[in-house]
Amino acid sequence: GAVVSQHPSWVICKSGTSVKIECRSLDFQATTMFWYRQFPKQSLMLMATSNEGSKATYEQGVEKDKFLINHASLTLSTLTVTSAHPEDSSFYICSASRHQANYGYTFGSGTRLTVV
Amino acid sequence: AQRVTQPEKLLSVFKGAPVELKCNYSYSGSPELFWYVQYSRQRLQLLLRHISRESIKGFTADLNKGETSFHLKKPFAQEEDSAMYYCALSGLGGKLIFGQGTELSVKP
Repeated sequence: GAVVSQHPSWVICKSGTSVKIECRSLDFQATTMFWYRQFPKQSLMLMATSNEGSKATYEQGVEKDKFLINHASLTLSTLTVTSAHPEDSSFYICSASRHQANYGYTFGSGTRLTVV
Repeated sequence: AQRVTQPEKLLSVFKGAPVELKCNYSYSGSPELFWYVQYSRQRLQLLLRHISRESIKGFTADLNKGETSFHLKKPFAQEEDSAMYYCALSGLGGKLIFGQGTELSVKP
């Protein structure tokens, strides 16, 4: 079945530094990638949608200059948290879809980011 | 606007009891609805989607457009069903929007 690999699974960084999270579709081409943020005991909040080769579309309230999304190929999307602050600490999850084939959505295992 | 509402944050039942996890949605077009499950320390997994009309692990869900609901049901809960359950809607632009989630706890 479809597999999405997300790395790293956890990361600790200092305030002011940047962190890159990768999401790869291993056995299919992901035309669309979604990035979510999940707070403890809460739901997944959609941050942005990216289509291969085009700029990401951000949800209202999400700072595009802070959360940089790149979807340069059909198998790789990255989320870079720039100038991280403690309030950016959260669980970030990616999801990939292949709408043309109507295979639905496949989720990565998530990345636990802690900013100290 | 796209919106998914799961009114129950926590649902606790005994093993063998019936379970119904509620989900209501708001969407002006024809939605595609899903139920996802997240077991402890694991990634989100698709449980079922309304277009396939499958029954997975004994769970079923019927789309009721009149009531804008997609409740998840299982006649006899098992302890291994304990997990977080999320109802989700795929609509405009293929965006998948989640409800708040319901924690199901099945007691022995």
